[in-house]
Amino acid sequence: GDSVTQMEGPVTLSEEAFLTINCTYTATGYPSLFWYVQYPGEGLQLLLKATKADDKGSNKGFEATYRKETTSFHLEKGSVQVSDSAVYFCALSESAARQLTFGSGTQLTVLP
Amino acid sequence: GAGVSQSPSNKVTEKGKDVELRCDPISGHTALYWYRQSLGQGLEFLIYFQGNSAPDKSGLPSDRFSAERTGGSVSTLTIQRTQQEDSAVYLCASSLIGSNEKLFFGSGTQLSVL
Repeated sequence: GDSVTQMEGPVTLSEEAFLTINCTYTATGYPSLFWYVQYPGEGLQLLLKATKADDKGSNKGFEATYRKETTSFHLEKGSVQVSDSAVYFCALSESAARQLTFGSGTQLTVLP
Repeated sequence: GAGVSQSPSNKVTEKGKDVELRCDPISGHTALYWYRQSLGQGLEFLIYFQGNSAPDKSGLPSDRFSAERTGGSVSTLTIQRTQQEDSAVYLCASSLIGSNEKLFFGSGTQLSVL
């Protein structure tokens, strides 16, 4: 079955540091890939997505590139801010499926 | 409302009791999903509704779990004879039909079974 593996957290960075959160997936078809973010006290919300190989999703300074050859969708940001502190979830959706399959989440804390 | 609303936000119950968790999706969203988030785990899919019908119940962990949706809107997740391993955050999400790629989540119900 489908699965998503994220790097384990928690991750603690200083403001303006470079961020990478690794995500790899296993799927039978050609899934769409997502990053969701959960800020403290809020519900999960879509951060970015990519629907086919080599697509790059981007939003709020975050980027992730759909790499079919390595089955990866790593999240990156060049300069993190304190306000980026949250839990980040990688997820996939098979084209014919009705549900998203999520990774276990990575807690990010950015210190001033 | 403006977003997905879940109630209660916290529920503490005794082992063996039944609980009901409620989800009020975004108006007009025909798809509704229930997920469970246990400590240190990812989001575990439970059930999906399209309108009032549930074409995918594959994630319900046992027959103690059931869910219904009425009027194509509010959904209730019921857990009978709760067990300690049921303790988790139960999340509800909704989306427009055919747009399962962008889910809108509620803040969840934290269930603690003592």
